[in-house]
Amino acid sequence: NAGVTQTPKFRILKIGQSMTLQCTQDMNHNYMYWYRQDPGMGLKLIYYSVGAGITDKGEVPNGYNVSRSTTEDFPLRLELAAPSQTSVYFCASSYRGGVAEYFGPGTRLTVT
Amino acid sequence: QQQVKQSPQSLIVQKGGISIINCAYENTAFDYFPWYQQFPGKGPALLIAIRPDVSEKKEGRFTISFNKSAKQFSLHIMDSQPGDSATYFCAASIEETSGTRLTFGEGTQLTVNP
Repeated sequence: NAGVTQTPKFRILKIGQSMTLQCTQDMNHNYMYWYRQDPGMGLKLIYYSVGAGITDKGEVPNGYNVSRSTTEDFPLRLELAAPSQTSVYFCASSYRGGVAEYFGPGTRLTVT
Repeated sequence: QQQVKQSPQSLIVQKGGISIINCAYENTAFDYFPWYQQFPGKGPALLIAIRPDVSEKKEGRFTISFNKSAKQFSLHIMDSQPGDSATYFCAASIEETSGTRLTFGEGTQLTVNP
């Protein structure tokens, strides 16, 4: 099993640009999550999904969108990048709802 | 509103010593308390977790102690090793109408000196 994979590993965006962070898991988990981690801070939940076709907002959803067309994939979309979105983004999945068990390696995003 | 407070921010321990990280929570509706370990440049990894009806849980050198009346829980790492040097996050899970949510503490950077 590859577990949870994320692409890209690093990305630099200009203000106003858009991009999609990709996340795939091969454990057949229904629950998937997107978190952001700012320096010296804990993780904040952006969006989560309890199964294909079902998504919901977390603590900090503004400026982001998600979709879940398959069990495996849970992409995160940034439409109009802002400097406040500079962060490390982690995708995660779990068998048990609400408690992320497996995290991807992260995407380090810088918006300038 | 910070619902899970973690301390200390950083901790330095000698090899073989005991590392202790503390967390306090406010919401008594939290029903699951996991700890995560994160190495530099990696995603967090679920380390150990406890439910509030248990006062202690041990897995190898890692022990969670839980004090429900004080709304506190802590991670103890016995015989700390340099390979344990990482950032540790406590978290608390709550069941809400929109689903189960996980709230993280701010993290403790542990350094174990050889």
